[in-house]
Amino acid sequence: AQSVTQPDIHITVSEGASLELRCNYSYGATPYLFWYVQSPGQGLQLLLKYFSGDTLVQGIKGFEAEFKRSQSSFNLRKPSVHWSDAAEYFCAFHSGSARQLTFGSGTQLTVLP
Amino acid sequence: DGGITQSPKYLFRKEGQNVTLSCEQNLNHDAMYWYRQDPGQGLRLIYYSQIVNDFQKGDIAEGYSVSREKKESFPLTVTSAQKNPTAFYLCASSTGQGRSPTEAFFGQGTRLTVV
Repeated sequence: AQSVTQPDIHITVSEGASLELRCNYSYGATPYLFWYVQSPGQGLQLLLKYFSGDTLVQGIKGFEAEFKRSQSSFNLRKPSVHWSDAAEYFCAFHSGSARQLTFGSGTQLTVLP
Repeated sequence: DGGITQSPKYLFRKEGQNVTLSCEQNLNHDAMYWYRQDPGQGLRLIYYSQIVNDFQKGDIAEGYSVSREKKESFPLTVTSAQKNPTAFYLCASSTGQGRSPTEAFFGQGTRLTVV
């Protein structure tokens, strides 16, 4: 079955520290992959997406993600976290033939001053 | 500006009532979706529509109904058959199946509370 897993429910980092949020997918071919961010009570905003080509993808707000086929992963990274990055982050994938995005359960990020 | 508009932002429903959540988009997208979000459960798909006058059930369609009479509009009705409707509801749209998939664009959500 096609699925996406975010192993970390909640992550806490200090402001200025680096960040990595994990995302693993289960699919027989290369999927289309996305990272979204959600502030409390708001909709989801796209951070970045991977369709093909360069496996290191740059997004908005200084985020990047790396697609690793061998590990079925698409981890989100940021070198230095800002207090405004505190939010919930969702990994999602689309198989191309599927009709909708499949979302992970989300990772809540807390940033300490 | 192009985007997706959900209304109302907050909605209160009495037991036994049907309520309708509005979703309108001006992105000229073919596909539209309704998701339900509960704490710790991520987003779960309720219904989706790839084209006008056609829609499909998602993973948790029981107690919900939709219509797609216009490309721009995809209203969701939460019926009295939905036993636990209190949640945050998100509408989204995308270019749809058959093309290179782009990201889904989301509205700001409607928070529904049963009183």
